[in-house]
Amino acid sequence: KAGVTQTPRYLIKTRGQQVTLSCSPISGHRSVSWYQQTPGQGLQFLFEYFSETQRNKGNFPGRFSGRQFSNSRSEMNVSTLELGDSALYLCASSSTGTDTQYFGPGTRLTVL
Amino acid sequence: AQSVTQPDIHITVSEGASLELRCNYSYGATPYLFWYVQSPGQGLQLLLKYFSGDTLVQGIKGFEAEFKRSQSSFNLRKPSVHWSDAAEYFCAVDPRRDDKIIFGKGTRLHILP
Repeated sequence: KAGVTQTPRYLIKTRGQQVTLSCSPISGHRSVSWYQQTPGQGLQFLFEYFSETQRNKGNFPGRFSGRQFSNSRSEMNVSTLELGDSALYLCASSSTGTDTQYFGPGTRLTVL
Repeated sequence: AQSVTQPDIHITVSEGASLELRCNYSYGATPYLFWYVQSPGQGLQLLLKYFSGDTLVQGIKGFEAEFKRSQSSFNLRKPSVHWSDAAEYFCAVDPRRDDKIIFGKGTRLHILP
């Protein structure tokens, strides 16, 4: 089985722009979770989608949003980018959301 | 408050030496427990997990972890480290209540030749 894929792997944006990140889960997995990883804050949970519905949400501002499609692929959007949004964004998929999560390689976002 | 603590931010061991990385959690009931490893610039790879049953769990790459309910701990061990084990290790907890998985802050492992 192919693993979790994330595109793009690297992004450079400027403040005020918006960005969309994509995640394709392992085939058959219906849950997709997103995390932000920074040196200062570590791994922080953004949100989880299961069968196209947001099931859980972390403590991030409304500028961070996501969605999931019927094929379980998920996108994450960040609007009005700030310097502090520079991070590695990781996507993880699991069968049900309450079992083992498998991570993608991440998207490295740099905001200038 | 519910939390996951990895008390050691950095650990340095010599190649061939044994390793133990600590993880403590604070939850009301026994959660699901995980250890992940992350190499620089990469995503997280699952090393092992504990859901129930035998409290000594075997994982990949020669790692094992022991769940101790009385100490709310899930420490990761390896009898003999290799230079390729240098990475960051994360302990994670799933409260099993449709709640989000919580990660510890990570322990960065350095290996001396």
